Amino acid sequence: ELKVEQNPLFLSMQEGKNYTIYCNYSTTSDRLYWYRQDPGKSLESLFVLLSNGAVKQEGRLMASLDTKARLSTLHITAAVHDLSATYFCAVDSVKGSQGNLIFGKGTKLSVKP
Amino acid sequence: GAVVSQHPSWVICKSGTSVKIECRSLDFQATTMFWYRQFPKQSLMLMATSNEGSKATYEQGVEKDKFLINHASLTLSTLTVTSAHPEDSSFYICSAPRVTNYEQYFGPGTRLTVT
Repeated sequence: ELKVEQNPLFLSMQEGKNYTIYCNYSTTSDRLYWYRQDPGKSLESLFVLLSNGAVKQEGRLMASLDTKARLSTLHITAAVHDLSATYFCAVDSVKGSQGNLIFGKGTKLSVKP
Repeated sequence: GAVVSQHPSWVICKSGTSVKIECRSLDFQATTMFWYRQFPKQSLMLMATSNEGSKATYEQGVEKDKFLINHASLTLSTLTVTSAHPEDSSFYICSAPRVTNYEQYFGPGTRLTVT
């Protein structure tokens, strides 16, 4: 059974600081996704990582994937208040298929001034 | 970009009644769509895979007779919660994959409250 673990589950940061969220998964998978969720809202796609060594960056967020270690990281650089949200990683659970996602528990990020 | 819509965005119903939720892919065709459920302060859990032209596939522990899924066309999937009970109150989110870019597009969600 595929399991996806995120840590930390809660993260309180000061503006301007850097931090990393970790996502481990238990079996091989074709793809890893990162999403953002604001309170009361649905998911906003951040990154899709397709292969070992993949690195993607958008603004203050950078995601990477190490398929051998079954580990993805979401790095936050110089955090700002607008980044406060819950971040989920997710993995395709069915090889060769797209969309049967198993999610981590989420990391609730709070950025304080 | 690709958009997935859901209707209604929120619904309140009485215990024992049925509620239908629609999920539409607005600018691409989706032979497969997915339904997730999210309880407050929890993660998303995959409920079922909706397949156009064939039966839905349900995850372990999800009652197929309670959560009826119909994939009526390449752009529409519906989830009907039958004989709803208060414990069915949740945030239901659908998604559709776009194979051309490996993206998974999520609808805005439907908040169901059963009284």
